[in-house]
Order: sequence, then structure tokens, then C-alpha cells
Amino acid sequence: KNEVEQSPQNLTAQEGEFITINCSYSVGISALHWLQQHPGGGIVSLFMLSSGKKKHGRLIATINIQEKHSSLHITASHPRDSAVYICAHSQETSGSRLTFGEGTQLTVNP
Amino acid sequence: GAGVSQSPSNKVTEKGKDVELRCDPISGHTALYWYRQSLGQGLEFLIYFQGNSAPDKSGLPSDRFSAERTGGSVSTLTIQRTQQEDSAVYLCASSLLGLGGIYEQYFGPGTRLTVT
Repeated sequence: KNEVEQSPQNLTAQEGEFITINCSYSVGISALHWLQQHPGGGIVSLFMLSSGKKKHGRLIATINIQEKHSSLHITASHPRDSAVYICAHSQETSGSRLTFGEGTQLTVNP
Repeated sequence: GAGVSQSPSNKVTEKGKDVELRCDPISGHTALYWYRQSLGQGLEFLIYFQGNSAPDKSGLPSDRFSAERTGGSVSTLTIQRTQQEDSAVYLCASSLLGLGGIYEQYFGPGTRLTVT
């Protein structure tokens, strides 16, 4: 069993839909990271959080430390949101290196 | 400002040859990470440098892999006697600090290595 499990693996949505990607992890962590990888490979950090909720534009990330679960929400989805979304965790005791989930391929159709 | 840069962007090499991949982190970032993304697989950690501390090499898949970081800045990942299973995108990331706090990591564009 991976330390980081994401669901769904693939997600297709229509433009405007509300999207949720889930992430569960099995170890104590210092921070949970959400990353975005576009075709062509570039990876961008979207959020880093250790408690509660963060919002940036149409993106919202939440985390429940007790349940070891995080969600990434996209409101009013747009075709440009199509990308792979990757959940990862880091631990201070491990030098803050990232342990990654398998990623969720999101396709938003116009 | 300049982000993390990596070179080359693409490298095709013959099985058995050695390759060197370079990473230039963001200026002032003391932590530097190497990750690998194999085709159809997720990202995996390779090695981590933090300041002048000994690197964490726990993710290196074999002794054919090594890395160094000179002057606390540029890092080179070397793969000796390349094998076909080494084909992957090698990603470098840097952050302000690894120990004593968690900081956002900034990724380079990666080097796509193909071993024929």
C-alpha cells in the first residue's frame, strides 16, 4: 500500500463543474502538498498546508489531520485546468523531501 | 526572478554510457532535491542536499547513481553505465530550507533521459 493514495486516478468533467480530488495518507506528516503537472511536464506547487483550508482563486485545499485526508477542489472548472494533480507529503524528520501519490489526470471539456 | 533550471532538457544515450545531469537552483535556496518520474509511474525521491550537511542518498536506486552539490549551489546527478530502466524524467527542486521547517519546493523543467 502506497503511503499516499489519490482518487480518482482519472477524472473527466465539463467546463463549469465543481471538481474534487481526494488524497489519503498513512503516516504522520509535517505538511501536505498539492502540485500541478501540465502536459510537457512542468510541475508547479499549488498549495502547502498542515491544517485547515487554503484558497487561491478557484482552487481550494483542505486537510483533516486526524483523518489523514486532504481534498483539492476546483470551482467553475475550465479546460485550462486540465492537468495531472499530484498530492504529496513531507516530514521534517526526512528533510522535507516529498513522497508522492500517483496523481489524478483531470480533463475538462469545453 | 530566475527559477530552477536544468540541463540538458533532453538526453539520448546508449546503454552503458555515463551521463551527467545539471541543476541550478534558485539563488539562496539551501535545500536541493532530485526526483525521478519514470514513464507511466509516479514521482520518486532520489537524493536531498541541505546546506553543508551530508546528503540524504536513501532514494538512489543503485550505486550507479551519484550526485554532488558544489558550493552549496549547482548540483550534478551522474548515472554511470546507464541501463534502459534509467530512462525517465529527472526533476530537480529547491526550497529555502529543508530542516527545521517545511517550505514550498520549486521544480525545474526536468531532463528527459532516454537510454537506447
